[in-house]
Amino acid sequence: EVKLVESGGGLVQPGGSLRLSCAASGFTFSNYWMHWVRQAPGKGPVWVSRINSDGSTPSYADSVKGRFTISRDNAKNTLYLQVNSLRAEDTAIYYCARNWGLDYWGQGTRVTVSS
Amino acid sequence: DVVMTQSPLSLPVTLGQTASISCRSSQSLVHSDGNTYLSWFQQRPGQSPRRLIYKVSNRDSGVPDRFSGSGSGTDFTLKISRVEAEDVGIYYCVQGTRLYTFGQGTKLEIK
Repeated sequence: EVKLVESGGGLVQPGGSLRLSCAASGFTFSNYWMHWVRQAPGKGPVWVSRINSDGSTPSYADSVKGRFTISRDNAKNTLYLQVNSLRAEDTAIYYCARNWGLDYWGQGTRVTVSS
Repeated sequence: DVVMTQSPLSLPVTLGQTASISCRSSQSLVHSDGNTYLSWFQQRPGQSPRRLIYKVSNRDSGVPDRFSGSGSGTDFTLKISRVEAEDVGIYYCVQGTRLYTFGQGTKLEIK
């Protein structure tokens, strides 16, 4: 069974940082592109970032470029998102999702940016 | 950037009737590899999004055949036949041809 479990969210002040993690199981993690998608309260999902299977090619939405860094550790079957210089508008549930087609999603981890 | 526009944004449906959701993209979604990366997702209240349909018309495993997708180029449709109470939620079209863009969502409710 494919399973994606996010962690690392929390309450952080504007300008702060967090590292989000996504632990994958039930499939060969190193074979798949992976994504981060976020959903602000009461809004639709928004794609944030993706990384190819070996971690050599990340891509980002313009809204997070320069502040967020996606990475992965294929030996640990884990995807990461380092989020820096956080703003109020980054408040959202952050989901990891698998594959080009976003075929499986985790349950999400909540990030709240507030003073 | 590709803009995805869904209609209607609210869809009250009687149980057993058919629901239809339209999705239009601002650019053709045909990829250089010949595929059209248009998917449909369902998000039930309090849950993560779940993919129903990929590459326009392919149903994911476990998705009832009441759900069907169609379309090409810039115009796409999700049809839900014989609507059931468990279909309540928000439906999103998503393009994956040029990075990823979600539609605004269509909220399906039972009349």
